[in-house]
Amino acid sequence: KAGVTQTPRYLIKTRGQQVTLSCSPISGHRSVSWYQQTPGQGLQFLFEYFSETQRNKGNFPGRFSGRQFSNSRSEMNVSTLELGDSALYLCASSFTANTGELFFGEGSRLTVL
Amino acid sequence: DAKTTQPPSMDCAEGRAANLPCNHSTISGNEYVYWYRQIHSQGPQYIIHGLKNNETNEMASLIITEDRKSSTLILPHATLRDTAVYYCIVRVALSNFGNEKLTFGTGTRLTIIP
Repeated sequence: KAGVTQTPRYLIKTRGQQVTLSCSPISGHRSVSWYQQTPGQGLQFLFEYFSETQRNKGNFPGRFSGRQFSNSRSEMNVSTLELGDSALYLCASSFTANTGELFFGEGSRLTVL
Repeated sequence: DAKTTQPPSMDCAEGRAANLPCNHSTISGNEYVYWYRQIHSQGPQYIIHGLKNNETNEMASLIITEDRKSSTLILPHATLRDTAVYYCIVRVALSNFGNEKLTFGTGTRLTIIP
């Protein structure tokens, strides 16, 4: 069974640009969560989707957005990139909406110059 | 979510049992204890979780004290591949309104020594 797949794995952007990251959950999983990991702040929750609906949102500015498609694949978008957005963005999937057992992908490492 | 306290780092000899403590003195009755680990440059990996009873799976054992204020993750025979940051998380079980986020702390950096 394939794991959570995130693309791209690495990318470099410049300030002011926007970026879209993609996440394909494990087959059959309907919940997708996104986390940001930085050396200074650690792992922080961004948002969570279940059945194409955002069910939970972390404390991030509106420049961070996401969506989920009918096949459970998810994308997150960051607009007007800032240097501080450089981070590892992790996607996690789970079968149900009420579980703490998440399966994480290997992440997309974003560098903003 | 209740706050957890873990030692920042620990060493363990290869082949020995690694015992990772976690304090969660403000845990509520409906909060579970979860353990994850993150090996360098990879996404976190779920290890085990429990509510009040001790739990064991193929990866580890989880011992929760009777008052639920602390727990210990036990890796019975540590190998070099167990070197990672281990996170202890407490999480409330919601009903049907979405997945409660996991609040990761700073974790314990476990180093397995050959």
